[in-house]
Amino acid sequence: KAGVTQTPRYLIKTRGQQVTLSCSPISGHRSVSWYQQTPGQGLQFLFEYFSETQRNKGNFPGRFSGRQFSNSRSEMNVSTLELGDSALYLCASSLGQVATEAFFGQGTRLTVV
Amino acid sequence: ILNVEQSPQSLHVQEGDSTNFTCSFPSSNFYALHWYRWETAKSPEALFVMTLNGDEKKKGRISATLNTKEGYSYLYIKGSQPEDSATYLCAFQGVGSQGNLIFGKGTKLSVKP
Repeated sequence: KAGVTQTPRYLIKTRGQQVTLSCSPISGHRSVSWYQQTPGQGLQFLFEYFSETQRNKGNFPGRFSGRQFSNSRSEMNVSTLELGDSALYLCASSLGQVATEAFFGQGTRLTVV
Repeated sequence: ILNVEQSPQSLHVQEGDSTNFTCSFPSSNFYALHWYRWETAKSPEALFVMTLNGDEKKKGRISATLNTKEGYSYLYIKGSQPEDSATYLCAFQGVGSQGNLIFGKGTKLSVKP
């Protein structure tokens, strides 16, 4: 079956702009989580959506937001980009219960200049 | 703030060596411990999801153990091969945190032929 698809793979934006990243989960998965990885840091949890509702949120400023559509596809938006937002953004889909494995996309590499 | 620690940060071994890594996590509000393998230019891939104290899981030459009372898990690789070269991540999942994984920074394994 098709894996988790993230688009675009690479993105260059200017400080102050906003950006939208997309994640298409595995068919049948209702949970999509987003993670940020910056150099020297582990994967940091941004938020999780389940059946179009945000179920968990990490410790990130309000400039980071997301949503999930009825087909479980999810988007993540970052407004007023800062240089420190340059990172690899990964999304993961799962069935949504605790202790079920997450399936990751290949990520979107965002560079803010 | 929940903290997941992994050691060592990196490891260089020769083909055929056996090796192990450690993951330390909070022992309270524990629900599951995940292990992922992340090869360069690929997506993180689930190895194990463990929930029970004393649990042991095995997949080929890779195995893992779990001690929830003291908050640690070991990952073992027997007879390392060059294709085992990757970063190995563990992630803590707490009670009520269905889509929220708290990752360690990983152990980067390099296996020389």
